[in-house]
Amino acid sequence: NAGVTQTPKFQVLKTGQSMTLQCAQDMNHNSMYWYRQDPGMGLRLIYYSASEGTTDKGEVPNGYNVSRLNKREFSLRLESAAPSQTSVYFCASSVMGSSPPTPYEQYFGPGTRLTVT
Amino acid sequence: SQKIEQNSEALNIQEGKTATLTCNYTNYSPAYLQWYRQDPGRGPVFLLLIRENEKEKRKERLKVTFDTTLKQSLFHITASQPADSATYLCALEGYGQNFVFGPGTRLSVLP
Repeated sequence: NAGVTQTPKFQVLKTGQSMTLQCAQDMNHNSMYWYRQDPGMGLRLIYYSASEGTTDKGEVPNGYNVSRLNKREFSLRLESAAPSQTSVYFCASSVMGSSPPTPYEQYFGPGTRLTVT
Repeated sequence: SQKIEQNSEALNIQEGKTATLTCNYTNYSPAYLQWYRQDPGRGPVFLLLIRENEKEKRKERLKVTFDTTLKQSLFHITASQPADSATYLCALEGYGQNFVFGPGTRLSVLP
């Protein structure tokens, strides 16, 4: 199992450009998440998807859109990139079951380092 | 306002000693609290989950406590090793099924 995969690993954009960050998981998890991580601020939730076909805003959704393409894939789109969106982006997935007894444990991808100039 | 704080940005400790990391929260009532480890350039990795009705949880050299009265969790690594050097994040149940993460503590275990 590859776990959670993210592409690309690195990206440099100019202000105003658009791009889509891709995420896929092969663990048959229902829930998927997009976070951004900035120095000293911890991980902040951008959007999440509790199940296939549903998406909801997290703490910092402005400037982003998401698509839950199917159970495996959850993409994050920046329509018009801004320097404030320079960050490391992590995708995560989790299981909502009782076995094993670790509900809400999240599995993270390796991250995408995005720089907007 | 809601806040999660971790005791310090960085903690240095001598090999073999016990490292104790603190997570304090304000204006949350989490049913669960988790701890993750993050190495440079990598995504966080889950370590332990503790429920509000559990006082303590152990896994090998790791121990987590959860005091809902103090609104605090302590994370201990006993017999620490240089390989334990990493950033440790606490995460608590914020709203819905989502977790809110603290800023992390960077632990360095010196040989």
